[in-house]
Amino acid sequence: GEDVEQSLFLSVREGDSSVINCTYTDSSSTYLYWYKQEPGAGLQLLTYIFSNMDMKQDQRLTVLLNKKDKHLSLRIADTQTGDSAIYFCAERTGSQGNLIFGKGTKLSVKP
Amino acid sequence: DTAVSQTPKYLVTQMGNDKSIKCEQNLGHDTMYWYKQDSKKFLKIMFSYNNKELIINETVPNRFSPKSPDKAHLNLHINSLELGDSAVYFCASSQGHSNSPLHFGNGTRLTVT
Repeated sequence: GEDVEQSLFLSVREGDSSVINCTYTDSSSTYLYWYKQEPGAGLQLLTYIFSNMDMKQDQRLTVLLNKKDKHLSLRIADTQTGDSAIYFCAERTGSQGNLIFGKGTKLSVKP
Repeated sequence: DTAVSQTPKYLVTQMGNDKSIKCEQNLGHDTMYWYKQDSKKFLKIMFSYNNKELIINETVPNRFSPKSPDKAHLNLHINSLELGDSAVYFCASSQGHSNSPLHFGNGTRLTVT
């Protein structure tokens, strides 16, 4: 079945890089997404990558995709306290295009 | 200029009541969704409509009934509310239902007492 796995917690110091990892099971996934949820807020689309790409960079964000291992990562350079949030990995799968979410990684940034 | 808007933001009600949550999007998208986020922040699809037609209906009690009067609106009606229905409900929209990203509303926090 379809499943997306992420570690639940990550703690880094301000200024360091953060790397959030995700694994997925559906090899037919066409797009993979990263969403950010701040406390009490909705889900904000951060970035997404098409399955035929290996890497995508957008300012401080770098997405790496290893399709063979079904592994996706999000790197945040120069992490700031404002980056503290829950980060969700998600895959778009199946003919109905259901978006399957991981359980979210809570990123805590210490000053 | 809110893209996906839900009302109300907070909803507190007693068990057994019937309530509705409204959702509207002004992005011109043709597909809309309802997701449920539980207390552990797990997100699960409930329903999806494409051009007012139901395309995803996960295992959700039939007390939950989505209604899509047009492409820009997808409302969620819940009958006979139970304690376990307490959660945050998110509406989302996308263009098509296979590739484009979903854009989410800010959520409706439902508390059933």
